[in-house]
Amino acid sequence: GQNIDQPTEMTATEGAIVQINCTYQTSGFNGLFWYQQHAGEAPTFLSYNVLDGLEEKGRFSSFLSRSKGYSYLLLKELQMKDSASYLCAVVDSNYQLIWGAGTKLIIKP
Amino acid sequence: ETGVTQTPRHLVMGMTNKKSLKCEQHLGHNAMYWYKQSAKKPLELMFVYNFKEQTENNSVPSRFSPECPNSSHLFLHLHTLQPEDSALYLCASSQDSAGGAGELFFGEGSRLTVL
Repeated sequence: GQNIDQPTEMTATEGAIVQINCTYQTSGFNGLFWYQQHAGEAPTFLSYNVLDGLEEKGRFSSFLSRSKGYSYLLLKELQMKDSASYLCAVVDSNYQLIWGAGTKLIIKP
Repeated sequence: ETGVTQTPRHLVMGMTNKKSLKCEQHLGHNAMYWYKQSAKKPLELMFVYNFKEQTENNSVPSRFSPECPNSSHLFLHLHTLQPEDSALYLCASSQDSAGGAGELFFGEGSRLTVL
C-alpha cells in the first residue's frame, strides 16, 4: 500500500528553527507538496519538490531525497503565526495525490 | 481571501435531512475537487471534476451526490448521512486535473456535524 508518515504534533519556541519530516512509500513518484493549514482555514500551498535538494523560499525551505523517500520542511525564525498544521502530499505514478495526516506545529513564546 | 468560496461554513443535520454544500471558484480553473478531512487522518479525495465531467469517484457512498453545473461551481448533495460522516469537507480547484501535479487551491471548508 501507499503510505505517508509525518509526526502528529511538534512544539517549538518562537525565534527558533524546526524541521518537520515526511517519509513516503508510494508506487512511483512525481513530486512532493507541502501545504500549511491554520485552524479553521483553507490549506495553502507552501512548496513543491520534484528533484533532489533544497528549495528555499524566505523563512521556509523544503528538502527532498528521492532515493530515501524522504522530505523535510524547515522553518526558521519561528513566529507565533507559524502555528498551524503542515501537510505533506506525494504525487504517485498515476498522478494521484497521496496525503499524510499532517503535523500540528505549536509555537510557544 | 481565497479564490475558492464554500458555503455554508458550518452545518448541523439529522440523519434524515437533505442538505447541500456549495463551492465556487473565481480562478478560472478547469478542475474541481471534493475532499473529506477528519481529525488526525489524511485528506480523502471524494470526487474530481475536469471541465464539468466527473473523472473520479473514490468509492464514495451514494448518500453523497456531487453536481458540477459549470467549471466554476461544485455542489455536494447530502442525504441520509451517518454520524461518521461528520467532518470538514474541503473544496479545491486546480488549473486542470492532469494528475496531482498541479497546485491545489482550497476553500475554507464546510464543517458538517451529523446528529
